[in-house]
Amino acid sequence: DSGVTQTPKHLITATGQRVTLRCSPRSGDLSVYWYQQSLDQGLQFLIQYYNGEERAKGNILERFSAQQFPDLHSELNLSSLELGDSALYFCASSGDGRGVGEQYFGPGTRLTVT
Amino acid sequence: AQSVTQLGSHVSVSEGALVLLRCNYSSSVPPYLFWYVQYPNQGLQLLLKYTSAATLVKGINGFEAEFKKSETSFHLTKPSAHMSDAAEYFCAVSGLEGAQKLVFGQGTRLTINP
Repeated sequence: DSGVTQTPKHLITATGQRVTLRCSPRSGDLSVYWYQQSLDQGLQFLIQYYNGEERAKGNILERFSAQQFPDLHSELNLSSLELGDSALYFCASSGDGRGVGEQYFGPGTRLTVT
Repeated sequence: AQSVTQLGSHVSVSEGALVLLRCNYSSSVPPYLFWYVQYPNQGLQLLLKYTSAATLVKGINGFEAEFKKSETSFHLTKPSAHMSDAAEYFCAVSGLEGAQKLVFGQGTRLTINP
């Protein structure tokens, strides 16, 4: 158990819909990262938040957005969903955001868009 | 840009045999390097990391990896494979230009034959 929790575990929705994925980092970790894992793209970095502020952006679509709340949990919002958005979405957390420490991954949310 | 190449999307070894999973990175500056393992329907678990200390890094479950700057490699080994090692293994880099995001290789699926 990494200490990172993600909900829900599975999500099935239709094209055009909007969903929210939730992540709680390990106790004390200030940085939260979101990654997408798909068969064709592999593991791709989406976005990083540090202590409530956006720190880095990767290959995140404009239809996707994220935020980190004062209690440090984070949400990834996916809207106008397309079939190609079906993937595993992972959240990871790490410590103080200054060094380059290891990231601890949650169990993931499997999104299926039908 | 940083990139990571894992040679061989599938590796199959017999139980008790040596495990060797290959990873090469492209970076003009030695990055931070990681190996993660993903068991079916689970998140990613950190096996080991290299952060410019000893070039031979020992991880969990009997795995180790050697950083070779001249070869830009960070291959993962285990002297004797166990059935429980069957999983997908990912090499990742981070740290260039202060970026903390992980850039992953394509992954190598390890199969253990009885």
